Amino acid sequence: DVKVTQSSRYLVKRTGEKVFLECVQDMDHENMFWYRQDPGLGLRLIYFSYDVKMKEKGDIPEGYSVSREKKERFSLILESASTNQTSMYLCASASPSKTSTDTQYFGPGTRLTVL
Amino acid sequence: RKEVEQDPGPFNVPEGATVAFNCTYSNSASQSFFWYRQDCRKEPKLLMSVYSSGNEDGRFTAQLNRASQYISLLIRDSKLSDSATYLCVVSPGTYKYIFGTGTRLKVLA
Repeated sequence: DVKVTQSSRYLVKRTGEKVFLECVQDMDHENMFWYRQDPGLGLRLIYFSYDVKMKEKGDIPEGYSVSREKKERFSLILESASTNQTSMYLCASASPSKTSTDTQYFGPGTRLTVL
Repeated sequence: RKEVEQDPGPFNVPEGATVAFNCTYSNSASQSFFWYRQDCRKEPKLLMSVYSSGNEDGRFTAQLNRASQYISLLIRDSKLSDSATYLCVVSPGTYKYIFGTGTRLKVLA
């Protein structure tokens, strides 16, 4: 069965703290993604990675960085957390087919609150 | 104009009813289409991919209209357990997935 796990379901941090969110998938997928989801705005792509050590900015990368040292693990880093980064963070993975985009599988999400 | 637009609802329907949602997209070069289901405070889960010829999975039917640039989801014989938010997802190519903001469905006993 497909599995994407995230390190925490709920996290509370203070403004200015460095925050690490980890995501692990066991499906040997090449592509991994970090989104945030906010009411009325839907899911917005922060960063994605199509291979180990490769990363691309998504639509809202400001204030975030990522790390992909191993194929199964994709980390999202908030260098200096701010209150406007309070959100639900969702990790996803997908295996690209040669002719079309493949299905994304999501982790359970991390609800981050920055005080 | 948003790249992917959905009516936010909520759609309140009685058990057993048939309900349909539409989703419009702006990029005519879009290649792949999906419907995801998201329960409250949970992650999105794939409901079904949408194929050009239309496809059915039990009580769920998905259609694609490329000329008018919309996809639809039809749910027949609604169950209480169908209550959720339904997300339309459009992909113009590899790595890129554009999510609608979702349509809320409430099935009432």
